[in-house]
Amino acid sequence: AQTVTQSQPEMSVQEAETVTLSCTYDTSENNYYLFWYKQPPSRQMILVIRQEAYKQQNATENRFSVNFQKAAKSFSLKISDSQLGDTAMYFCAFMKPGNTGKLIFGQGTTLQVKP
Amino acid sequence: DTGVSQDPRHKITKRGQNVTFRCDPISEHNRLYWYRQTLGQGPEFLTYFQNEAQLEKSRLLSDRFSAERPKGSFSTLEIQRTEQGDSAMYLCASSLGSSEAGELFFGEGSRLTVL
Repeated sequence: AQTVTQSQPEMSVQEAETVTLSCTYDTSENNYYLFWYKQPPSRQMILVIRQEAYKQQNATENRFSVNFQKAAKSFSLKISDSQLGDTAMYFCAFMKPGNTGKLIFGQGTTLQVKP
Repeated sequence: DTGVSQDPRHKITKRGQNVTFRCDPISEHNRLYWYRQTLGQGPEFLTYFQNEAQLEKSRLLSDRFSAERPKGSFSTLEIQRTEQGDSAMYLCASSLGSSEAGELFFGEGSRLTVL
């Protein structure tokens, strides 16, 4: 069975600084998808960034980028130029091929951006 | 608002009572998902529908839980004979089958408290 582990329950960063959230996963699959979702306080969860395992190039979306290390089964999220609106809970998630939408989430990391 | 909507947002009930949650997905989305999120944890997959067909159910979905999507539009999640362990946030999400893998659109959730 696949598992996703986020070992940092809480993190904080100063506005405009850079922060990296860690995620490791375990799977015997060779092809899969990895995601970072953001859940702001009392608001719905939204997709931040997606990585397909067969793509070697790390995904980037504006200020958000990932460091995908397939052999190490590591998938970290880097947030550059942190903004107050980045304050949220961040979840790392795994999905097997087939696009069923069945995501396996980590425990989450609460990120506080301080002014 | 054309996002995923869930009703009620909060429900407090006594142990042993039945509760029903409703989810209205984004109108053109043919896939609908239910997840459960307990405090401090990531969401856990419960079930998903493609149109009106329920294609997968998690082992977490005991016999007391039933989900329907009768006309392929809105969905209901019913919990019978509620137990204190059912207390959680129940999240609904939807997606278009042809969309990028794993891009789910979540509602704000229905929080259940069982006394």
